[in-house]
Amino acid sequence: GQNIDQPTEMTATEGAIVQINCTYQTSGFNGLFWYQQHAGEAPTFLSYNVLDGLEEKGRFSSFLSRSKGYSYLLLKELQMKDSASYLCALNTGGFKTIFGAGTRLFVKA
Amino acid sequence: GAVVSQHPSRVICKSGTSVKIECRSLDFQATTMFWYRQFPKKSLMLMATSNEGSKATYEQGVEKDKFLINHASLTLSTLTVTSAHPEDSSFYICSAQGLAASYEQYFGPGTRLTVT
Repeated sequence: GQNIDQPTEMTATEGAIVQINCTYQTSGFNGLFWYQQHAGEAPTFLSYNVLDGLEEKGRFSSFLSRSKGYSYLLLKELQMKDSASYLCALNTGGFKTIFGAGTRLFVKA
Repeated sequence: GAVVSQHPSRVICKSGTSVKIECRSLDFQATTMFWYRQFPKKSLMLMATSNEGSKATYEQGVEKDKFLINHASLTLSTLTVTSAHPEDSSFYICSAQGLAASYEQYFGPGTRLTVT
């Protein structure tokens, strides 16, 4: 089976940096995704890591360590619009993706 | 590119009736589509995986006779909630996987179902 853990909620200040952690256990691994989801909307793709290391894309970066079953999403220069849920998701083989419970990020002024 | 639409976006129906939700890939062919269900403040729960022209694969605990999935073409999958009850009220989201060797999924905007 699979298990994905991430914090339930986080709060950060506008302009700051926040790191959202995700740990996982899985028997099959074909990559790890991060998605952003605003309330009442569908998730939008942020990043995909299949190899160890850091992937940077603008204000967002994602890190993966397969040996540790660990990933994080780093958000820089936080903006109010970044307030959303951030979902860590595993591709466990084939095309099946399993989602974590999500981390609700609140950005305050 | 890679746009997925869902229809309807919101639907209210009476208990005991059936509701059909459509998921379309607008600018690409989707070999595989997924149906998720999401409760308020919860994450997405995979209900089933559907491949064009074959029967859907349902996740454990999902009643296949209640949630009928049809994937008749490479651009359309439908989810029919049969004999809906208030506990079926939820946010239903579909996603599609393209033909290219990519694991990225493209999500539809979701359908809010309310059963009264």
